[in-house]
Amino acid sequence: DTEVTQTPKHLVMGMTNKKSLKCEQHMGHRAMYWYKQKAKKPPELMFVYSYEKLSINESVPSRFSPECPNSSLLNLHLHALQPEDSALYLCASSQALGTGPGNYGYTFGSGTRLTVV
Amino acid sequence: AQSVTQLGSHVSVSEGALVLLRCNYSSSVPPYLFWYVQYPNQGLQLLLKYTTGATLVKGINGFEAEFKKSETSFHLTKPSAHMSDAAEYFCAVKMKTSYDKVIFGPGTSLSVIP
Repeated sequence: DTEVTQTPKHLVMGMTNKKSLKCEQHMGHRAMYWYKQKAKKPPELMFVYSYEKLSINESVPSRFSPECPNSSLLNLHLHALQPEDSALYLCASSQALGTGPGNYGYTFGSGTRLTVV
Repeated sequence: AQSVTQLGSHVSVSEGALVLLRCNYSSSVPPYLFWYVQYPNQGLQLLLKYTTGATLVKGINGFEAEFKKSETSFHLTKPSAHMSDAAEYFCAVKMKTSYDKVIFGPGTSLSVIP
């Protein structure tokens, strides 16, 4: 299994709703990431998890709350979002964090397209 | 600060023609370098990467890229474009001293004309 699976593919939510995005991989990767991508823009890093622990938080507003329950699963909990949070949310994984010569590329999921109304 | 530039936000080529997508980075220390492709309504897919060793790197779908330290470049090429190559292409870098932050370039949209 060489895939990162994201659900749902599309999500429309109101500004008072609470919803969650889910990401799953079974490649044995120990680093997982959340990215946000606006139309015609490159992905922007939000969070990095390494061995189920939060490693990097790129000053993301608290209305986004990540969770890594186990080595295969990554969630992004959403609450009280704003219309400007509408974007494609991408999950990615890599074998591990690190700066060694065997540096790893990422495997991306297909994303969740989020619309906040 | 580290940055990545991609010359040309949009490139059009004829089917069968050479594809050349440009990427330059700003760093005195060569970083790790990557090219990703994104098809419409999809996530990103790793095309190829340079970490160490041979400077000409071959990737999937017939693409290759050459790392040129003197030019701080990592241009992506494909000898003959196919209609299925139409997509958004992102160059990305990761500093060897960075814990794990990948910086993406702004992207180049490739169109292939029949």
